[in-house]
Amino acid sequence: GAGVSQSPSNKVTEKGKDVELRCDPISGHTALYWYRQSLGQGLEFLIYFQGNSAPDKSGLPSDRFSAERTGGSVSTLTIQRTQQEDSAVYLCASSFPGLGTTGELFFGEGSRLTVL
Amino acid sequence: DQQVKQNSPSLSVQEGRISILNCDYTNSMFDYFLWYKKYPAEGPTFLISISSIKDKNEDGRFTVFLNKSAKHLSLHIVPSQPGDSAVYFCAASAASYDKVIFGPGTSLSVIP
Repeated sequence: GAGVSQSPSNKVTEKGKDVELRCDPISGHTALYWYRQSLGQGLEFLIYFQGNSAPDKSGLPSDRFSAERTGGSVSTLTIQRTQQEDSAVYLCASSFPGLGTTGELFFGEGSRLTVL
Repeated sequence: DQQVKQNSPSLSVQEGRISILNCDYTNSMFDYFLWYKKYPAEGPTFLISISSIKDKNEDGRFTVFLNKSAKHLSLHIVPSQPGDSAVYFCAASAASYDKVIFGPGTSLSVIP
């Protein structure tokens, strides 16, 4: 489809392992966001990419978290040495430059991470 | 430091009545505000937005009101329908090219 695609949809891993989560944004969207929703919590901002500008990493909770965006399109969120508190749904969103005319972010369905 | 606050974790409303969801923010630089709806196991979907140059925006059953001096906005849904039952997130941005910050959400239940 033409929406934001995230993979895997579900990931179960053991504590201490590294995980990679992938996001394919909508074609033509220059802005890409990663958010995290822990159980019973709101959407926690992680990182924001806008075009060729340096990403806003102010929401990353620790240096175990990193993200990159290759070629201005696909993004990968990497969590190293996972901990149980990393268990959450990781949501990716993309938007037109400057939030477009409505300010809408288009979200994927999320990647549910469970750390045992 | 929560910049976008939704102080009511949940709200129950009878079908056909008005639902009013409130949101407060602390960052005076925010100038663009959005509301999203989220069903379980799905990504959030956009409902309505408002920029700081307006105090009201309406789209069908949904109206957003903005009070900049009070740093407060609200979403009105009228009439409420059972299909409106979901978690509603308020979000804000300091500029059209800045990150979007979300509040913790309010779970709305519309009772038939």
